[in-house]
Amino acid sequence: EVQLVQSGAEVKKPGESLKISCKGSGYSFTSYWIGWVRQMPGKGLEWMGIIYPGDSDLRYSPSFQGQVTISADKSISTAYLQWSSLKASDSAMYYCARRLAATEYFDYWGQGTLITVSS
Amino acid sequence: DIQMTQSPSSVSASVGDRVTITCRASQGISSWLAWYQQKPGKAPKLLIYTASSLQSGVPSRFSGSGSGTDFTLTISSLQPEDFATYYCQQANSFPLTFGGGTKVEIK
Repeated sequence: EVQLVQSGAEVKKPGESLKISCKGSGYSFTSYWIGWVRQMPGKGLEWMGIIYPGDSDLRYSPSFQGQVTISADKSISTAYLQWSSLKASDSAMYYCARRLAATEYFDYWGQGTLITVSS
Repeated sequence: DIQMTQSPSSVSASVGDRVTITCRASQGISSWLAWYQQKPGKAPKLLIYTASSLQSGVPSRFSGSGSGTDFTLTISSLQPEDFATYYCQQANSFPLTFGGGTKVEIK
């Protein structure tokens, strides 16, 4: 069974750093792109970027380029999303999702990681 | 960036009703469009991809159509478990973009 399991909710202060994770199982982790999607409270979905764990090839949305870093460790089938200095506006639910092979659609999703940034 | 505009933003319907949701792209995207369903507190679920292909396990009451700039998602007979928010997503070019969502509510 394909599963993406994300790390737990976080409460952080502005200016702090953070790295959240997404662990894949039940499929060949290095053969499928993993994307990250933001959902701010009560709002819609925003695509942040995508990584191919096989060779760490990356694409960022211009809206998020320079604001976050996407990475992956194929040895432990885990993708990451990290911030070096959080802002209150980073408070949101973040989902990882597996890209359906040879398409740009997402067929399996993680359960989401809620990030709250507040002083 | 390609802008995706959904309408209506919300719709009230009864069990058994036929519901149609529209998604318009700001430029032509061929058939590179997906529809997702999201229930409160849950991750989105892929329903339809490449405009009209039903994802495995999705009930046949869901269907998609369209190409170019105009697309529709139709639920032929609304069931209680279909009350949710629906999003379209273009897959034609980076950055991938989603519509603003359509909330299907109980009448």
